[in-house]
Amino acid sequence: SQQGEEDPQALSIQEGENATMNCSYKTSINNLQWYRQNSGRGLVHLILIRSNEREKHSGRLRVTLDTSKKSSSLLITASRAADTASYFCATPHVWETSGSRLTFGEGTQLTVNP
Amino acid sequence: DTGVSQDPRHKITKRGQNVTFRCDPISEHNRLYWYRQTLGQGPEFLTYFQNEAQLEKSRLLSDRFSAERPKGSFSTLEIQRTEQGDSAMYLCASSTRTGRGDTQYFGPGTRLTVL
Repeated sequence: SQQGEEDPQALSIQEGENATMNCSYKTSINNLQWYRQNSGRGLVHLILIRSNEREKHSGRLRVTLDTSKKSSSLLITASRAADTASYFCATPHVWETSGSRLTFGEGTQLTVNP
Repeated sequence: DTGVSQDPRHKITKRGQNVTFRCDPISEHNRLYWYRQTLGQGPEFLTYFQNEAQLEKSRLLSDRFSAERPKGSFSTLEIQRTEQGDSAMYLCASSTRTGRGDTQYFGPGTRLTVL
């Protein structure tokens, strides 16, 4: 089952506007990750935020994490048409044997109109 | 190109046929994962290798599915007696342990269509 749930499911904005996507999860985590997927392609890792971090920036991306509410948000500033993609949050389940299984939400489909 | 590669990118097969996909991870990565993604959904975990050992398998991985990583480098995922419900994107990812966490890097995927 999918642990993460993204909101909204779809978002359509104009180029230059900001886009905010939210993610909720159910169990305790040691980090949360955001990925982007262009249509029909593989996933690209965007950013990882640890459970002891509240905010993280990478270029035009800003991620927040609220562990008390079990939620995270991804903000893309000054959006471009090339940002059109599906965005997924993912939380790792760490095995004792090492490695981790990522559990993904259903994603937010972002469309940036030129 | 030093990323994760997958072959083939697309596969169309008839129900009942066997198919095999290949994944070549990033060369220094000892961890390899397979995920399946259906339309409109996020990826779902299938199986995990550390070096050549298959350490974890999902309940999604039925008896018709088998994965190998014989020398701890590339991996293959075979589906026997394919069913229409197997139609999906099959994604491979690799990672290595770092102090910053286990970031998984994904390949472009193999899209399977079962007719």
